[in-house]
Amino acid sequence: GAGVSQSPSNKVTEKGKDVELRCDPISGHTALYWYRQSLGQGLEFLIYFQGNSAPDKSGLPSDRFSAERTGGSVSTLTIQRTQQEDSAVYLCASRFGPSTDTQYFGPGTRLTVL
Amino acid sequence: QKEVEQNSGPLSVPEGAIASLNCTYSDRGSQSFFWYRQYSGKSPELIMFIYSNGDKEDGRFTAQLNKASQYVSLLIRDSQPSDSATYLCAVKGNSNYQLIWGAGTKLIIKP
Repeated sequence: GAGVSQSPSNKVTEKGKDVELRCDPISGHTALYWYRQSLGQGLEFLIYFQGNSAPDKSGLPSDRFSAERTGGSVSTLTIQRTQQEDSAVYLCASRFGPSTDTQYFGPGTRLTVL
Repeated sequence: QKEVEQNSGPLSVPEGAIASLNCTYSDRGSQSFFWYRQYSGKSPELIMFIYSNGDKEDGRFTAQLNKASQYVSLLIRDSQPSDSATYLCAVKGNSNYQLIWGAGTKLIIKP
């Protein structure tokens, strides 16, 4: 694809509901990252995928957060029983592979938990 | 704890002047250094990367790396109002996948 895509662009949900956020990386990119960015803050690393495996999940804030990647492509970040503090922009980035370092970001999903 | 530090700003620079953004990092083994620009409400986009000590120029942008002093800078010449954004510094350490991100410097170019 031309770039990293994410959906939905905006998601408003009620406290306690589950949400799924989707990321479609650049075609051929084997590495995929999820970040969270709260208003006016820096990037908070959540999870890293290499292929379909997640060797680093250290940034997931709680067991309410999970992510998977299938076919070495699309990734889904799931937040169960959402809380108001989960409100943020969730950014996905992809990278070609081990020989490159540059991460390319998608447009993000703005999550608002009421 | 590996850290990347940036002055949060805002840094206000008159149009046409040189904007100088600085970033320091704690891991002496860091290998690759990146500058991203993030407009308000948008996602980060890569401006430049630098691997070797010295200067690297790309149009109006110059990245400067000094590994001995553990800092990396971004200079923007002939600053334009469209350069107003938050600039994120990112550093790759010894891991083969992780970038450590600074919190960003907000730059305002005043017409």
